[in-house]
Amino acid sequence: DAKTTQPPSMDCAEGRAANLPCNHSTISGNEYVYWYRQIHSQGPQYIIHGLKNNETNEMASLIITEDRKSSTLILPHATLRDTAVYYCIVRVVSGKSTFGDGTTLTVKP
Amino acid sequence: GAGVSQSPRYKVAKRGQDVALRCDPISGHVSLFWYQQALGQGPEFLTYFQNEAQLDKSGLPSDRFFAERPEGSVSTLKIQRTQQEDSAVYLCASSPNLAGSTDTQYFGPGTRLTVL
Repeated sequence: DAKTTQPPSMDCAEGRAANLPCNHSTISGNEYVYWYRQIHSQGPQYIIHGLKNNETNEMASLIITEDRKSSTLILPHATLRDTAVYYCIVRVVSGKSTFGDGTTLTVKP
Repeated sequence: GAGVSQSPRYKVAKRGQDVALRCDPISGHVSLFWYQQALGQGPEFLTYFQNEAQLDKSGLPSDRFFAERPEGSVSTLKIQRTQQEDSAVYLCASSPNLAGSTDTQYFGPGTRLTVL
């Protein structure tokens, strides 16, 4: 599985958009980009995934660059409950997930 | 419907004891994964089942770790002769493994193991 690089931490003001970047320059053509988040003492929670097109669901939007070497997770209106560690993972369908250390997002009032 | 459940949620063991951690995947999910998460780090892959077959156990740290899924549903992760370095949160995930799908993995709440 491809390695991902994320900033260790980010802050965001409550109500503003949170934009979390991820680099995955060695991604293969059959690997998807998945985003999970983990709130303290809970298991990772699925957020969104994509292959090459931008995706949006009720939680977030995922923007994948045309060359697929990086992506951005967008939380459009961050709340205090969005404070968590966010993981970007690239993997093949049905493959194991290789987590890095993620980005700790702190939403501040 | 119900998500992935794990039991116990917390386990304290004395060094040298054997422990068994249980995972109940989402009903009908074919794939099951175990991960180990040390404090302050991201989860690390341990092993993977497709139905009852253990297809990948490359992440198991030693031969003291053993996992099984005899009927292709519930899985048990067993750790023999526990050591302090085994202290971690053990996470289970399941996915439907439907042909043509992107096969999202859904995680349980984890079991926090503390070895004294």
